[in-house]
Amino acid sequence: DTEVTQTPKHLVMGMTNKKSLKCEQHMGHRAMYWYKQKAKKPPELMFVYSYEKLSINESVPSRFSPECPNSSLLNLHLHALQPEDSALYLCASSQVSSLNNGYTFGSGTRLTVV
Amino acid sequence: GENVEQHPSTLSVQEGDSAVIKCTYSDSASNYFPWYKQELGKRPQLIIDIRSNVGEKKDQRIAVTLNKTAKHFSLHITETQPEDSAVYFCAATWMRFGAGTRLTVKP
Repeated sequence: DTEVTQTPKHLVMGMTNKKSLKCEQHMGHRAMYWYKQKAKKPPELMFVYSYEKLSINESVPSRFSPECPNSSLLNLHLHALQPEDSALYLCASSQVSSLNNGYTFGSGTRLTVV
Repeated sequence: GENVEQHPSTLSVQEGDSAVIKCTYSDSASNYFPWYKQELGKRPQLIIDIRSNVGEKKDQRIAVTLNKTAKHFSLHITETQPEDSAVYFCAATWMRFGAGTRLTVKP
């Protein structure tokens, strides 16, 4: 298995809802990442997990809460989002949380906040 | 943190011509430089990468060059084809992306 699987593919949620995005990989990668991508913009790093521990938080608002239950799974819990949070959320993984490995990206979850 | 600047933001070429996209970075400790291709509505996909101990790397019609002294690296696509049309992103260490280049290859 050489893929990163993200669910759901599409999500519409109200500003008072609580939802979760899920990401799964079975490549033995020990680093996993969340990115946010707005239309016509580059992916913007949000969180980095290395060996199931949060190693980077790019000053992301607390309404986004990441979780890494095990080495294969990465979740992003969403609560009280704003319409401007609507975007494509990409998960990625790599062999190690190091400087020298490319990422494998999932297909993303397209989130719309209404 | 690392800053990555990418130019040009848009590039239009005729089929068969070459395309060059350039990126500069700020962190002298950076030592890994990947390039990603993203087609409309799809995920970014790694197309080529280079590590700091190498000055050039080639894979068929795609090549990347690195100048560590000047802190810049470039993507070269030769014999462009319409299917090369996409947005291309460079990245440096810790995977902070450049702003992207929208490449259009006209048949």
